[in-house]
Amino acid sequence: DTEVTQTPKHLVMGMTNKKSLKCEQHMGHRAMYWYKQKAKKPPELMFVYSYEKLSINESVPSRFSPECPNSSLLNLHLHALQPEDSALYLCASSQTGQGSMGYTFGSGTRLTVV
Amino acid sequence: GDSVTQMEGPVTLSEEAFLTINCTYTATGYPSLFWYVQYPGEGLQLLLKATKADDKGSNKGFEATYRKETTSFHLEKGSVQVSDSAVYFCALSDRGTNAGKSTFGDGTTLTVKP
Repeated sequence: DTEVTQTPKHLVMGMTNKKSLKCEQHMGHRAMYWYKQKAKKPPELMFVYSYEKLSINESVPSRFSPECPNSSLLNLHLHALQPEDSALYLCASSQTGQGSMGYTFGSGTRLTVV
Repeated sequence: GDSVTQMEGPVTLSEEAFLTINCTYTATGYPSLFWYVQYPGEGLQLLLKATKADDKGSNKGFEATYRKETTSFHLEKGSVQVSDSAVYFCALSDRGTNAGKSTFGDGTTLTVKP
């Protein structure tokens, strides 16, 4: 299995809702990432988990809360989002936290906040 | 800090034309270099990589050579197809102080016409 699977593919949520994005990989990778991508822009790093511990938080607002239940799963909990948070949210994994062999990305969750 | 500068797009070519997308980088450590491709509505896919100077990465007819003396990693393909239409991102992953944080260029949109 050489894939990163993200669910759901599309999500529309109101500003008072709570929702979660899920990401799963079975490649034995020990680092997992959340990225945010706006249209026609490169992905922006949000969080890095290395060996199931949060190693990097790029000063992301607390309305985004990551969770890594085990080495194969990564969640992103969303609460009280703003319309400007609408974007494509990408999960990625790499063999180690160095990322020196590149990332495997999922196909993303297209999030719309209304 | 680390940075990646890509040739500005969009780039429009006819089928079977030669492709070059320029990429130069600045890094404080010993980076690995990557090209990712993003097709419409999808996540990023690792296209090719090079982990040290003079390495050549290749995949699906695309090539790029890690040139430390010119800090460049230009993407080339001898004969493009309509199916190559996508956004291409140059990226680096530094094994130094910024380990775990890949730096992406702004992306170059390629359109190939029949």
